Amino acid sequence: AQSVAQPEDQVNVAEGNPLTVKCTYSVSGNPYLFWYVQYPNRGLQFLLKYITGDNLVKGSYGFEAEFNKSQTSFHLKKPSALVSDSALYFCAVRDIGEGNNRLAFGKGNQVVVIP
Amino acid sequence: NAGVTQTPKFRVLKTGQSMTLLCAQDMNHEYMYWYRQDPGMGLRLIHYSVGEGTTAKGEVPDGYNVSRLKKQNFLLGLESAAPSQTSVYFCASSSADRHYGYTFGSGTRLTVV
Repeated sequence: AQSVAQPEDQVNVAEGNPLTVKCTYSVSGNPYLFWYVQYPNRGLQFLLKYITGDNLVKGSYGFEAEFNKSQTSFHLKKPSALVSDSALYFCAVRDIGEGNNRLAFGKGNQVVVIP
Repeated sequence: NAGVTQTPKFRVLKTGQSMTLLCAQDMNHEYMYWYRQDPGMGLRLIHYSVGEGTTAKGEVPDGYNVSRLKKQNFLLGLESAAPSQTSVYFCASSSADRHYGYTFGSGTRLTVV
């Protein structure tokens, strides 16, 4: 079964500094990978996904993520963090070798951008 | 295009009371899911449905029931609410195209006293 690990509970970063949120995954087949963001008192919103092709994918709000198959990772990055990026970030994986459509979510990372 | 709509947005229940949370999607999605979100626990899958008239148990199904009588609606029921069911509940839907992820509703904050 597929699973995701987000090893850090909270990431603190100064405004203007690079932001990285880590994600590693485990699947039996090949993965489809997703990042979601949750702002306070809101539902999860889609940020970006990796399906196939270029290992570096770009998404909303200036975020990007790099797929690394050898390290089974899909870290989320932003070159220059904004205070408005403070939110909860979830990584998710779908094992395309499995017969179901389910996504496995990580526990989430709280990102705090310090002015 | 409303996406996924959850009602109600907030509710306070007394222990032992029952209630139904409604999830409606207008994207003709085949799959629908109910999650609960608790601090430090991430998202935990309660029940899900792969199509109209079908439901299945997720990770934490005890104390909940669901029904999917119409493709666009997925109902989550609490027959006898307990304080442990205090949580934020999210509904999500997805199409059969596995290239796409889930679309989430905005959540229902439930407090059981």
